[in-house]
Amino acid sequence: GESVGLHLPTLSVQEGDNSIINCAYSNSASDYFIWYKQESGKGPQFIIDIRSNMDKRQGQRVTVLLNKTVKHLSLQIAATQPGDSAVYFCAETLPSNFGNEKLTFGTGTRLTIIP
Amino acid sequence: ETGVTQSPTHLIKTRGQQVTLRCSSQSGHNTVSWYQQALGQGPQFIFQYYREEENGRGNFPPRFSGLQFPNYSSELNVNALELDDSALYLCASSFGSSSEKLFFGSGTQLSVL
Repeated sequence: GESVGLHLPTLSVQEGDNSIINCAYSNSASDYFIWYKQESGKGPQFIIDIRSNMDKRQGQRVTVLLNKTVKHLSLQIAATQPGDSAVYFCAETLPSNFGNEKLTFGTGTRLTIIP
Repeated sequence: ETGVTQSPTHLIKTRGQQVTLRCSSQSGHNTVSWYQQALGQGPQFIFQYYREEENGRGNFPPRFSGLQFPNYSSELNVNALELDDSALYLCASSFGSSSEKLFFGSGTQLSVL
């Protein structure tokens, strides 16, 4: 069935270092993946997405890698800053003929940037 | 800011009561999705409204219901509140029913005592 999980619930990284947040998914039919950032008291904020026909996508300071063979997704944040401290969620969707593509979220990883 | 506004920001209810949460979607968006986020968990899909009709539902009982209005704003209603309904309720708007480019509001924190 659908499930999206994370390997680690918390991650602490020194400011300026790179961070990697991992996510495993179980449904090989999932075709679209999104990383969200959620700061305290706010809703999830879109960071970057990737479709299943790609294995890498880059944004500003962020890179998402998709390994469909082992059903693994990762988010790399380069040169972390204090403002990167937040909970990060991966989410997946299944293809739908009806257009109601719900997002299935993982539990989340709390990233703490150490000054 | 995403342009998605939710009200109220916080709410306290007692078990058995009913609650209505409101969401105004971002300008130009015609679809609203509702999610429940329990403490320490990821958001769980409740349902989606597209062009004023329910367009997909997650694993939530019928006491969770909703509406979408002609201006695309939306309400989430929960009847017969239970303690486990305590959570952050998130509204997300988009253009079209795809989950791409969802813009979330800051949520309504519901506490059921």
